[in-house]
Amino acid sequence: KAGVTQTPRYLIKTRGQQVTLSCSPISGHRSVSWYQQTPGQGLQFLFEYFSETQRNKGNFPGRFSGRQFSNSRSEMNVSTLELGDSALYLCASSPGPPREQFFGPGTRLTVL
Amino acid sequence: QKEVEQNSGPLSVPEGAIASLNCTYSDRGSQSFFWYRQYSGKSPELIMFIYSNGDKEDGRFTAQLNKASQYVSLLIRDSQPSDSATYLCAVNRGAGGTSYGKLTFGQGTILTVHP
Repeated sequence: KAGVTQTPRYLIKTRGQQVTLSCSPISGHRSVSWYQQTPGQGLQFLFEYFSETQRNKGNFPGRFSGRQFSNSRSEMNVSTLELGDSALYLCASSPGPPREQFFGPGTRLTVL
Repeated sequence: QKEVEQNSGPLSVPEGAIASLNCTYSDRGSQSFFWYRQYSGKSPELIMFIYSNGDKEDGRFTAQLNKASQYVSLLIRDSQPSDSATYLCAVNRGAGGTSYGKLTFGQGTILTVHP
């Protein structure tokens, strides 16, 4: 079974720009969660989608948004990028909570 | 108090020894518990998950859960240099409400296995 895929793997943006990251979950998994990982804050939950519905959202500003498509693929968008948004963004696929989550390789975002 | 706390590292063990990684959590409503391994520059890889009190073994890995003490641990037997990585403990409150799809992670413990 193919794993979770994320594109692009690396991104360099400048402050004020926006970015869209993509995630394709494991076939048959309907839940997709997004996380931000930084050296200072560790892994922090952004949001979770299930059957195209956002069911949960972490404590991040409204500049962070996402969506899920009917094929379970998900995108997250960050608008008006700030330097502090530089991080590894991870997508995790699951059959649904409280089941285990499987992570993709991540997208490394650098904001200059 | 942090929601999920792991024993401070780094932890260094000789090859062939048992590595013991510990994690405590504050939310008594937590229902599922996970251990991930993360190599430098890579994404977290699921090693074990446990839902019930007691021990769960998978190869060289044993996860132990004690919900009364709000404690979960990971034992790695016959440690190998390839086990050198950061180990992350994660907790989920289960389905419903603000817990959907949310794993709460500890800060991680760096393990080094030296030959």
